[in-house]
Formats: sequence, C-alpha cells, structure tokens
Amino acid sequence: AQKITQTQPGMFVQEKEAVTLDCTYDTSDPSYGLFWYKQPSSGEMIFLIYQGSYDQQNATEGRYSLNFQKARKSANLVISASQLGDSAMYFCAMSFYGNNRLAFGKGNQVVVIP
Amino acid sequence: DTGVSQDPRHKITKRGQNVTFRCDPISEHNRLYWYRQTLGQGPEFLTYFQNEAQLEKSRLLSDRFSAERPKGSFSTLEIQRTEQGDSAMYLCASSLDGTSGSEQYFGPGTRLTVT
Repeated sequence: AQKITQTQPGMFVQEKEAVTLDCTYDTSDPSYGLFWYKQPSSGEMIFLIYQGSYDQQNATEGRYSLNFQKARKSANLVISASQLGDSAMYFCAMSFYGNNRLAFGKGNQVVVIP
Repeated sequence: DTGVSQDPRHKITKRGQNVTFRCDPISEHNRLYWYRQTLGQGPEFLTYFQNEAQLEKSRLLSDRFSAERPKGSFSTLEIQRTEQGDSAMYLCASSLDGTSGSEQYFGPGTRLTVT
C-alpha cells in the first residue's frame, strides 16, 4: 500500500522567511508522481507543484520548489519569501501511472505572521 | 470561471435521509474523481471515472454510496440512509487524462453534516 507521511506540527513562519514542509512516502512502484496542494480555510485544494519519479531536476514553480530525494523517499516543499496569503494547510500527495488517483498525507498547517 | 464546480456547497441532513451531490468538471477533462475529507485528515479517494465509465471504487465506498457520470460530463454522488459517520467534506476533481503527472483540479467541495 502507498503511504504519505507528514508529521510536522503546526508551524508559525515570519513573513518573507522561507519554510520547508516535510513529506516522506512509501511505495515499491518505480513510476509515480508527487504533488503538493494548498488548502486555505475556504476549503478548496489548490495545486502547487508536481515532481515525477523519473525527473532528474527538482521541480520549481515560482516561490515553490520541491526538494526531491528519491533514495530517501522524501519530497519536501520549500516556500520562499512567505506571504500572509500562504497561511493554509499543505498536503503532499502521490499518484501512480494508469489511474492517477491521489493518496494524500495528513497535511501541515502553516501560519504566516507579519 | 470555468473551474470545477460543486453543488450544494453545504448540506445538513438527518440521519437516514438520502442526499445527492453534483460535480461539474472542467469541460475538456475526461477524468473525474471523488474524494472525502474528514476533519484533520487529507482527502481520501472514493472513486473515479474515465468519461462515463466508473473505473475504480475504493473500499471506503460502501453499498450506500453510488456515483454516476451518465454522459461523461457532470457527475453525481448519492449517499443513501446517511449515517453520522458520513459527515465530511466531499471533494470532486477533474483532470485531462490519466497520466501520473496530470494535475487534478479540485472543486470547492460539498460539506455534509448528518445530524
């Protein structure tokens, strides 16, 4: 069974600082994708970034970057220059070739303070 | 706005009643997914469609749950004889195809409260 682990407690981050959110996963399948989604208090899941298991380079999308360490099975999200609007729950998720259904972790709560 | 929409946004029902939720995906997306999210947890997969065909159902989807996507466009999720444990946020998502890198776009969700 596939498993995503996010164990950090809620985090307070100073505005303009960087924050790293940890995600480890467990799978024996060689082909998979890793996603990060943001869920603000409004409830909608917002896609942030994607990393494929065969991608050689770490993914980046604006202020978001994914630190992919395949051997350690980790896919940490780095948010640079935090903004107040970054306050939300952040979910790491994994998908597999063929059905693309997502398996989510329990999430990390981030609160950005001015 | 041509994103994923869901209706209703909130539903309060009494235990034992039936409820139906609707999801309208992004028009050119042929994959549609349903997830359930309880408080403090990440979303859990329920089922997905490729066009009108329902290709996979999670073991979470008991016999009281049924989902349809009759013309490969909108989808409905029905819960019969609701129980208090069904209280959750029901999320719908769609994607262009089924490749592992295909981003899923989520709707705003339907929050169900069973009293």
